[in-house]
Amino acid sequence: DQQVKQNSPSLSVQEGRISILNCDYTNSMFDYFLWYKKYPAEGPTFLISISSIKDKNEDGRFTVFLNKSAKHLSLHIVPSQPGDSAVYFCAAYAYNNNDMRFGAGTRLTVKP
Amino acid sequence: NAGVMQNPRHLVRRRGQEARLRCSPMKGHSHVYWYRQLPEEGLKFMVYLQKENIIDESGMPKERFSAEFPKEGPSILRIQQVVRGDSAAYFCASSLEGGYTQYFGPGTRLTVL
Repeated sequence: DQQVKQNSPSLSVQEGRISILNCDYTNSMFDYFLWYKKYPAEGPTFLISISSIKDKNEDGRFTVFLNKSAKHLSLHIVPSQPGDSAVYFCAAYAYNNNDMRFGAGTRLTVKP
Repeated sequence: NAGVMQNPRHLVRRRGQEARLRCSPMKGHSHVYWYRQLPEEGLKFMVYLQKENIIDESGMPKERFSAEFPKEGPSILRIQQVVRGDSAAYFCASSLEGGYTQYFGPGTRLTVL
């Protein structure tokens, strides 16, 4: 059961431009949504999160947008930097059963 | 202030052997989660443990897989009689109080020949 979906396996952008990574979910009971970044041979590291009661959260170059009616969230990175090249996982968390679900990931490549 | 540690980082087993994966959570953390990442897929939840207790094992295969988190020592994920389909990266995460703030280890890459 894929409750969290990232339909784009890869994305390539030019340095300095905006990167937009998308994520869809099916379960309206999720309370928090998170983005993790993963480099090769390392574990995922937390990047940014958003509560289900918010529609936007910003942290420096990273902004997450949540559209609850569409069950869709997106991560915007601007300006993109070569060091942002990594796999980005979207995750959704539900308090009632302490359940965290991950998407399949999107590999972002930022070209100099 | 060491993060989550996992060992070994790489493990090669032949079909039918046992695999033992270890996870030492961050200092002070008593909640441990195990996830599996198959090739080209996302992380799939396997099991959630607190010290000496399995809280949720709904993601664990019913056979051959077991996990423990003893009072002393690391959490262990054990896979008996491994098969080729068990080849994956296994990640451990820990948290202070449960919830979504989870810190991940570097993972153990299991290869079954």
